[in-house]
Amino acid sequence: DQQVKQNSPSLSVQEGRISILNCDYTNSMFDYFLWYKKYPAEGPTFLISISSIKDKNEDGRFTVFLNKSAKHLSLHIVPSQPGDSAVYFCAASDAFQGAQKLVFGQGTRLTINP
Amino acid sequence: GAGVSQSPSNKVTEKGKDVELRCDPISGHTALYWYRQSLGQGLEFLIYFQGNSAPDKSGLPSDRFSAERTGGSVSTLTIQRTQQEDSAVYLCASSLYRTANYGYTFGSGTRLTVV
Repeated sequence: DQQVKQNSPSLSVQEGRISILNCDYTNSMFDYFLWYKKYPAEGPTFLISISSIKDKNEDGRFTVFLNKSAKHLSLHIVPSQPGDSAVYFCAASDAFQGAQKLVFGQGTRLTINP
Repeated sequence: GAGVSQSPSNKVTEKGKDVELRCDPISGHTALYWYRQSLGQGLEFLIYFQGNSAPDKSGLPSDRFSAERTGGSVSTLTIQRTQQEDSAVYLCASSLYRTANYGYTFGSGTRLTVV
């Protein structure tokens, strides 16, 4: 039972354009959402998060949007840079379970083309 | 140390052998997590330690898997009688907080290959 789904395994975007990575979830008790970025042979690193009481959170070039009614969130990267090429994971924590662990999606491999 | 340290970084083992994977969390971090990432899959939760509380073992896939955390610091994940489906990258993470909402700091992982 995949509670967090990233339906696009890969995405290719031209440098300077906007990258949009999508994530859907099924558990309505998820109340906090995070995005992680992973380079090859490294562990995932935290990128940005959003609480379920908000619908947008922005940090520099990165913005996360949350649509609770649709159980959907997205990560926007503007402008995209070659260093953004990585695998991006969406993750969620379950308040009902004490928010003690994260449930991750399958990841989306983003490639930024020069 | 400055980050989460995992050893070995790579491990090749024969089917049926036991393996031990080690994790040194960031000093002072009370929460420690093990996840694994199989080829083409997301991060699968395995086990969670928080301070002196009983660990959350709900993600361990079979009784061949076990983990311990000694002295609230170093953790060892043990896989007995390894199978080919155990091949994956095993990631350890630690956190200063009781809640996962602030995220974790991950190590670089141990790539386990069972042949």
